[in-house]
Amino acid sequence: SAVISQKPSRDICQRGTSLTIQCQVDSQVTMMFWYRQQPGQSLTLIATANQGSEATYESGFVIDKFPISRPNLTFSTLTVSNMSPEDSSIYLCSVVDRNTEAFFGQGTRLTVV
Amino acid sequence: DAKTTQPNSMESNEEEPVHLPCNHSTISGTDYIHWYRQLPSQGPEYVIHGLTSNVNNRMASLAIAEDRKSSTLILHRATLRDAAVYYCILREASGGYQKVTFGTGTKLQVIP
Repeated sequence: SAVISQKPSRDICQRGTSLTIQCQVDSQVTMMFWYRQQPGQSLTLIATANQGSEATYESGFVIDKFPISRPNLTFSTLTVSNMSPEDSSIYLCSVVDRNTEAFFGQGTRLTVV
Repeated sequence: DAKTTQPNSMESNEEEPVHLPCNHSTISGTDYIHWYRQLPSQGPEYVIHGLTSNVNNRMASLAIAEDRKSSTLILHRATLRDAAVYYCILREASGGYQKVTFGTGTKLQVIP
């Protein structure tokens, strides 16, 4: 199993600013993912955070808006850049272990005003 | 990715069994059927998964149709803590490090 810690758990930010969300895992993992969950909606995958290389983004998400770092096998960050109220969502970090089970952090609840 | 179809919402009385259906008519032979649930204000958590045979664990049972085009997650005695959104997800068996793609899920309400 894997235990994931996300920081911050919630934040209220001014439009036009940026927020960096941290994801720390208690063990080394190969794959880390970032999701967005808009109010009342399901989870949408933003990108796969690759260790040692650029993240792989899903359709509709771009690096300039959601830059991701993955400096090692236990840590990743997601930045939400130049925020607007439409970016108000829950952002979740996830890892998958070799047995295919996925683990999720508690999420970061972001409100942009 | 093959798609799944679930009812948007279901209700159950507390301590009664709950059968949550999922249709996946385009499932491929190598797709595993996974279930996750998301409790209020929490990230999703793994519930159960299977390929062809029915599966049981401490949380639930998974009944898979013989043609694999549908499956049912069974909670044997619903409690208030089981109120959550339940997601039925197909994942390829090739490699254990795949992303999880979520559908809309079924919101389960448990009535005391």
